[in-house]
Amino acid sequence: AQTVTQSQPEMSVQEAETVTLSCTYDTSESDYYLFWYKQPPSRQMILVIRQEAYKQQNATENRFSVNFQKAAKSFSLKISDSQLGDAAMYFCAYRWGMNRDDKIIFGKGTRLHILP
Amino acid sequence: AAGVIQSPRHLIKEKRETATLKCYPIPRHDTVYWYQQGPGQDPQFLISFYEKMQSDKGSIPDRFSAQQFSDYHSELNMSSLELGDSALYFCASSKWGGLGEQYFGPGTRLTVT
Repeated sequence: AQTVTQSQPEMSVQEAETVTLSCTYDTSESDYYLFWYKQPPSRQMILVIRQEAYKQQNATENRFSVNFQKAAKSFSLKISDSQLGDAAMYFCAYRWGMNRDDKIIFGKGTRLHILP
Repeated sequence: AAGVIQSPRHLIKEKRETATLKCYPIPRHDTVYWYQQGPGQDPQFLISFYEKMQSDKGSIPDRFSAQQFSDYHSELNMSSLELGDSALYFCASSKWGGLGEQYFGPGTRLTVT
């Protein structure tokens, strides 16, 4: 069974600094998707960034980028120039790519605090 | 852009009562998913529907049932509610041929007293 592990329950970063959230996963599949979702206090689940496993190039979305190491099954999220609005719970997530309707498996989350 | 709509946003029920949660997916999305997020937990998959047919089932109690209707909206029916059913229930939708992501609704917060 696929699993997603986030080893950092909480992290803090100074405003305007850079922070990296770690995530590892376990799967025997070769075709899958990886995501980072943000859940602010409103509890809305917001997609931050997506990575297709077949792509070697790391995904980037503005201040958010990932370091995808397929062989190591590692998928970390880097947030540059941290802002107060980045404070949230961040979930790393996995989805198998072969079925049109496959579920998302989430990690336990990392709560990110931004220090002014 | 249109998003996933869930109703109601908040629901308070007593033990042993019944609740119905509704989900309206993004237009032209053909797959709906239901997730349950308990306090301090990650979202857990309950059930999914593709083209109005149940396609996958997770850790959904037998007291819960769901369906997807001809207009693609979905309803999650929960009976004999227990205190442990108090959670945030998300609906998400996706479209086959997309880029793998699921778009989440704002959630329905269910409180069972």
